[in-house]
Amino acid sequence: EPEVTQTPSHQVTQMGQEVILRCVPISNHLYFYWYRQILGQKVEFLVSFYNNEISEKSEIFDDQFSVERPDGSNFTLKIRSTKLEDSAMYFCASRGQGPYGYTFGSGTRLTVV
Amino acid sequence: GNSVTQMEGPVTLSEEAFLTINCTYTATGYPSLFWYVQYPGEGLQLLLKATKADDKGSNKGFEATYRKETTSFHLEKGSVQVSDSAVYFCALIKSQDAGGTSYGKLTFGQGTILTVHP
Repeated sequence: EPEVTQTPSHQVTQMGQEVILRCVPISNHLYFYWYRQILGQKVEFLVSFYNNEISEKSEIFDDQFSVERPDGSNFTLKIRSTKLEDSAMYFCASRGQGPYGYTFGSGTRLTVV
Repeated sequence: GNSVTQMEGPVTLSEEAFLTINCTYTATGYPSLFWYVQYPGEGLQLLLKATKADDKGSNKGFEATYRKETTSFHLEKGSVQVSDSAVYFCALIKSQDAGGTSYGKLTFGQGTILTVHP
């Protein structure tokens, strides 16, 4: 069964450093998403991406965040200057046509120290 | 805006016990409703869904009925197993966003940790 692959599974970074979280969505999917879950809290939408541009973003997704699909297969989330409060599990997801075919990756646990 | 509220956890049960995890939602229009499950160390997996009022979603012995009058989508299972131990998330998609490329943003509840003991 096709999978969404996220790397790395864990990342520890120093405050102020840049991090790039990587995702390989399912190859024929069209819509791509990033969500995050701060420990003990709910899963929150960050951004959706379609046709090589951001289609929607939340208030969390400020200027420190950016997304790219650089080569038609990878989908990356960049945090330019990490803060302690960016520590969370980050989930990538993709889907094809229709709202029901979401597939999530296993997540990247980001720890900012 | 849209929101989903789940019962507080964690929930601890013995094997073969009956499970209910409550979920209520607030949304304009007619959302589609989902239950996702997250097993330890894994991603979010769709457990079941319902797309309109009175629909019943079911999978792996779990069931949930879309109740528009009470804006609820409670998850139930008649006899839980140790292997059901996981975190369960209720979620919705706002259906009337159809047609725009923003269609498909999931709004999640806070998750309920279920532990089943032998």
